[in-house]
Amino acid sequence: KQEVTQIPAALSVPEGENLVLNCSFTDSAIYNLQWFRQDPGKGLTSLLLIQSSQREQTSGRLNASLDKSSGRSTLYIAASQPGDSATYLCAVFHAGGTSYGKLTFGQGTILTVHP
Amino acid sequence: EADIYQTPRYLVIGTGKKITLECSQTMGHDKMYWYQQDPGMELHLIHYSYGVNSTEKGDLSSESTVSRIRTEHFPLTLESARPSHTSQYLCASRKSGGSYNEQFFGPGTRLTVL
Repeated sequence: KQEVTQIPAALSVPEGENLVLNCSFTDSAIYNLQWFRQDPGKGLTSLLLIQSSQREQTSGRLNASLDKSSGRSTLYIAASQPGDSATYLCAVFHAGGTSYGKLTFGQGTILTVHP
Repeated sequence: EADIYQTPRYLVIGTGKKITLECSQTMGHDKMYWYQQDPGMELHLIHYSYGVNSTEKGDLSSESTVSRIRTEHFPLTLESARPSHTSQYLCASRKSGGSYNEQFFGPGTRLTVL
């Protein structure tokens, strides 16, 4: 059964710092990996999607990498801002087995960027 | 921006009431999903659909039911709400067809059963 783990569970940094959020998964049979942002009490906003054949994707100050063989992904946030404060979730989209066609989510990293 | 909508956004009801949470998307996606999320906790898949007249139960057992009569519409129903159903319910959709398709989420419905 696929397990997705995110480290750290919580992170508090001063504004302007560059930071890295980690995501690991146990089954490499995935179609893609998606990073989401969730603000308190809200839905999920898709940030980046990395296909299984890709190694990284970039959007503005965000860069996500994927090492499928080792079951790891990182989300890099450059020059963090207070508005980046949210919970960040990674999720893998299964390519086969009983979980085919479904996303499995990590527990999330709660990020706080203070001025 | 994702075109996926959920109503109501907030609902407070008494025990025993029947409720329907609405979810609709205008992107023509064939796959739709319902997740349940308690505050500060993980998302759990409770229902999914791969197309019209196709519905399946997810990984987390739920007393709710769903229907998919139209591609764009995927309502969730609780026949008799209980306090244990208090949670946030998130609807999502995606298009079939490969590794490049993102999953999009609605804003969620926060349900409180008294």
